[in-house]
Amino acid sequence: NAGVTQTPKFRILKIGQSMTLQCTQDMNHNYMYWYRQDPGMGLKLIYYSVGAGITDKGEVPNGYNVSRSTTEDFPLRLELAAPSQTSVYFCASSYSGQGATNEQFFGPGTRLTVL
Amino acid sequence: DAKTTQPTSMDCAEGRAANLPCNHSTISGNEYVYWYRQIHSQGPQYIIHGLKNNETNEMASLIITEDRKSSTLILPHATLRDTAVYYCIGPSSGTYKYIFGTGTRLKVLA
Repeated sequence: NAGVTQTPKFRILKIGQSMTLQCTQDMNHNYMYWYRQDPGMGLKLIYYSVGAGITDKGEVPNGYNVSRSTTEDFPLRLELAAPSQTSVYFCASSYSGQGATNEQFFGPGTRLTVL
Repeated sequence: DAKTTQPTSMDCAEGRAANLPCNHSTISGNEYVYWYRQIHSQGPQYIIHGLKNNETNEMASLIITEDRKSSTLILPHATLRDTAVYYCIGPSSGTYKYIFGTGTRLKVLA
């Protein structure tokens, strides 16, 4: 199993540009998450999904959009990039079900710089 | 929401046990406490979790107080590769959403 994969690894955007961060998991997990991590800080939840077709906001959703059309994929969309969105973005997944303890598995991250 | 409090940083000599404390006095009775670590800027790595009883796996041991208000992660024989930021995490009440604090920066010294 590859686990959770994210692309791209690095990206530089100009203010106002848009992009999609890709996330895929091959563990058949029903829950998926997007976090951002600013320098020296802990992770903050942007959006999460409890299954295909179901998404909800986390702590810091403004400026982002998500969709979940399949169990495996959970892309994060930035529509109008701003310098405040310069951060490292992590995708994670977990299994929630009978007897599950819901530990999350994280991808390697995407480092985004907005200039 | 479960809020956790951890020391900002700790040092540990290589080969010695590293004991990382966490206060989670607001965690609910049926919510797990999870421990993760983050090496450099890699994705957080799961270490261990617990509910009421002490837990041990190949990476670490977790000691949870009887009142569940605090826990201690123990790395029995710390190595230089254990240098990382360690997060004690309690979920957002009634959900599976993690609430991350700023963690403890553990430095293992040669």
